[in-house]
Amino acid sequence: GEKVEQHESTLSVREGDSAVINCTYTDTASSYFPWYKQEAGKSLHFVIDIRSNVDRKQSQRLIVLLDKKAKRFSLHITATQPEDSAIYFCAARNYNQGKLIFGQGTKLSIKP
Amino acid sequence: EAAVTQSPRNKVTVTGGNVTLSCRQTNSHNYMYWYRQDTGHGLRLIHYSYGAGNLQIGDVPDGYKATRTTQEDFFLLLELASPSQTSLYFCASSEGRGNSGNTLYFGEGSRLIVV
Repeated sequence: GEKVEQHESTLSVREGDSAVINCTYTDTASSYFPWYKQEAGKSLHFVIDIRSNVDRKQSQRLIVLLDKKAKRFSLHITATQPEDSAIYFCAARNYNQGKLIFGQGTKLSIKP
Repeated sequence: EAAVTQSPRNKVTVTGGNVTLSCRQTNSHNYMYWYRQDTGHGLRLIHYSYGAGNLQIGDVPDGYKATRTTQEDFFLLLELASPSQTSLYFCASSEGRGNSGNTLYFGEGSRLIVV
């Protein structure tokens, strides 16, 4: 079955700099790649996604890149702010399946 | 915004004990999921369902049963709890699969400790 690997378990960047979180997946049939954010002590919520018919998507300060050949996708957070501090989870899903497989999570800390 | 409510929010039980975690969603979503969150493992899918009476096995189902009694309600059952099941459990729902209704809406989590 699908496996999603999230390469950085922790990441620390200075406020205002960019943060990049990388993920890889194994199932070539995966076609949907969302990102979720979990703030300290809270639940998860959706932040951005990308589908396999595009290789780049941007929503305000968030950019997602998808490299289908390498089976790799990444989340770029530009001009980081203190409220970006959280655990970020990547995930992948096959179009025909109902289940979403998550990576291990990356704890992002924004230093003043 | 979709509402997903879990209960209990915190539970302590003994090894061998019987635990039921409840989840209710009020947005008529088709899909419901149970995940567990553990440090170093992220979120792992236990069971999921795409409608009342339906159950699909996830990636870490051993020691867990689940039942979807209605469109709204999805239960996770631990009939002989073990310390390895100490975890933070999340329920989630979504409208469907494919290109529509992909977003998962999560509950607040249920922290279970098995001593």
